[in-house]
Amino acid sequence: KAGVTQTPRYLIKTRGQQVTLSCSPISGHRSVSWYQQTPGQGLQFLFEYFSETQRNKGNFPGRFSGRQFSNSRSEMNVSTLELGDSALYLCASSSDGRGSTDTQYFGPGTRLTVL
Amino acid sequence: AQSVTQLDSHVSVSEGTPVLLRCNYSSSYSPSLFWYVQHPNKGLQLLLKYTSAATLVKGINGFEAEFKKSETSFHLTKPSAHMSDAAEYFCAVNLSRAAGNKLTFGGGTRVLVKP
Repeated sequence: KAGVTQTPRYLIKTRGQQVTLSCSPISGHRSVSWYQQTPGQGLQFLFEYFSETQRNKGNFPGRFSGRQFSNSRSEMNVSTLELGDSALYLCASSSDGRGSTDTQYFGPGTRLTVL
Repeated sequence: AQSVTQLDSHVSVSEGTPVLLRCNYSSSYSPSLFWYVQHPNKGLQLLLKYTSAATLVKGINGFEAEFKKSETSFHLTKPSAHMSDAAEYFCAVNLSRAAGNKLTFGGGTRVLVKP
């Protein structure tokens, strides 16, 4: 099976702009989660989508949003970009996330740079 | 509150010698614990996970970890380090008690392997 794919791999934006990142999960996986990785804050959970519904949410401001489509593909959007949003954004998928033991498989990430 | 602490931010070992990466967690219930590895400019790869079955968990590439409830620890070991083990390692716990995924990560341990 193909792994988790994320597009684009690299993005450069300026402050105040908005950005959309895309994630295609492993075929058959219904749960998609998003994480932000920065040198200062490490890896932080953004949100999780399952069957087109947000099921879990981290502690990020409302500028960060996401959605999931009927084919389980997911997008995340960041509006009004700030310098601190520069990070590696990782997407992870799992089969159904029925329990906390579910294994999440990560994509290669999208490197966002905000100037 | 649940959290994960990786006790060493950097570990340096010689090739062929054992590797020990330490992880402590705090949780009010029995958690699911994971170890992931991240090579430069890559996403996260699962090494192993603990899901309340056997306390000694074997993973890929010769890694294993032991869950010790009394010590709230989940340390990762490998008997003999290889140059390809140079990477950053993350311990994580799934905070979602109900269905769903919400990983909380430790700060990471960067492993340097000397020839």
